[in-house]
Parts: sequence; structure tokens; C-alpha cells
Amino acid sequence: DPKIIQKPKYLVAVTGSEKILICEQYLGHNAMYWYRQSAKKPLEFMFSYSYQKLMDNQTASSRFQPQSSKKNHLDLQITALKPDDSATYFCASSQDPFSNERLFFGHGTKLSVL
Amino acid sequence: QQQVRQSPQSLTVWEGETAILNCSYEDSTFDYFPWYWQFPRESPALLIAIRPVSNKKEDGRFTIFFNKREKKLSLHITDSQPGDSATYFCAANPPASSGSWQLIFGSGTQLTVMP
Repeated sequence: DPKIIQKPKYLVAVTGSEKILICEQYLGHNAMYWYRQSAKKPLEFMFSYSYQKLMDNQTASSRFQPQSSKKNHLDLQITALKPDDSATYFCASSQDPFSNERLFFGHGTKLSVL
Repeated sequence: QQQVRQSPQSLTVWEGETAILNCSYEDSTFDYFPWYWQFPRESPALLIAIRPVSNKKEDGRFTIFFNKREKKLSLHITDSQPGDSATYFCAANPPASSGSWQLIFGSGTQLTVMP
């Protein structure tokens, strides 16, 4: 059974629209992350959360907003979508932010913006 | 500025040969270097990792050689198997004292092992 569930697996959106990527982890971890993988920038760090608090944000654009309603949830809201946002978005988790070297990744959401 | 660099971008070896994947980094304060592998249409997964206190870490056919002075490391895969065909990412972890909470990944080496 997958321990990190990402929904949906595939997502097609039109330019200018808004989408929410869902992530739930059932590993009992306290830290969660979002990474983006595209042909231009493989495995690019976006956000890290620990105990539902933002720890690090390396995303230049405010169009990307993480949302954590529960400790094991970290969703990603993307507004005003652009074709350049097309990528696979990976959610990941670790036991705690101090052990972020051992990341467990979900299977990703592949986003295509037309 | 790319903080973690990998070479070559792609590598093809024959089954049974040793594959050597290279990695270099910029920041001498990085204190942990994991390698992740990613199979097609799969998510990355931790393969092996090393800390700068060691210059070598071995796990079966996979060995990391680490040169702290030159800020370089390499992953050696001996007796390569077709099932090793994947993209390999070198990563670096800034110290917690830096206030950074991210793993920094290189751009990856795509390894193909021919039977």
C-alpha cells in the first residue's frame, strides 16, 4: 500500500486556472515537502513544513501556496496557471526536519498546463 | 548557480561492467550526501548515503567514494545489471544551522545497462 498518497495522478489545466494538488502521508512523519520535477530543473525544492508550520520556501512565485489542514496533509494550491508550471509535483516526507536527508516520495502528480 | 553538479548526463555500460557516476558540490558546509535513484514513471528513492567524516561507503554493489578536499564524490556500481538502469541523483544537505530545510539535488545521470 502506498504510504504517501497524491491525488490526482494526472492533471490537465488551462492557462489562468487554479488547481489544488493533494498529499496525505501515513508514515507518521512530522515533516512534509513539495518538490517539482521538470525537464528544465529536475527535483527542485519548493516548500518544507514541520508540525504544520512552514520551515522553508524556495518558490519565487506567490502563485504557489501550500496548505496544511492536518499534520499528515500538505496540499499545494497553484493559481493563475502557466504552461511553464507543467511538471511532475512530488510530495515527500521525513521523520522530522532534522532527518530530511531520508525523504520518502509519493508517486507524484503530473500537471500539464495548456 | 547550481550547487550540486553531476556528470555525465547519461551513461551506457554493458552488463557486468562498473558504472561510475560523478558529483561535485559548491558549499563545504554540506554535511550529508545521499544518492537517490529513480526508475521510469516511478518516484525517487534513497539508494545510499555518506557523511563527510567518511571517505567511502559501501552497500553491496554500490560504493560512494568521497573527497572532501576537492568537494567531489562518485558512485561506483560494480557488476552492473540491466535492472540498475535508472536515473541517479546526487544530493546534498545543508547543515541545520544554516536555516535551510531542503535537500539540494543535482540534475541526474541517466544510466543504461545493456544486457
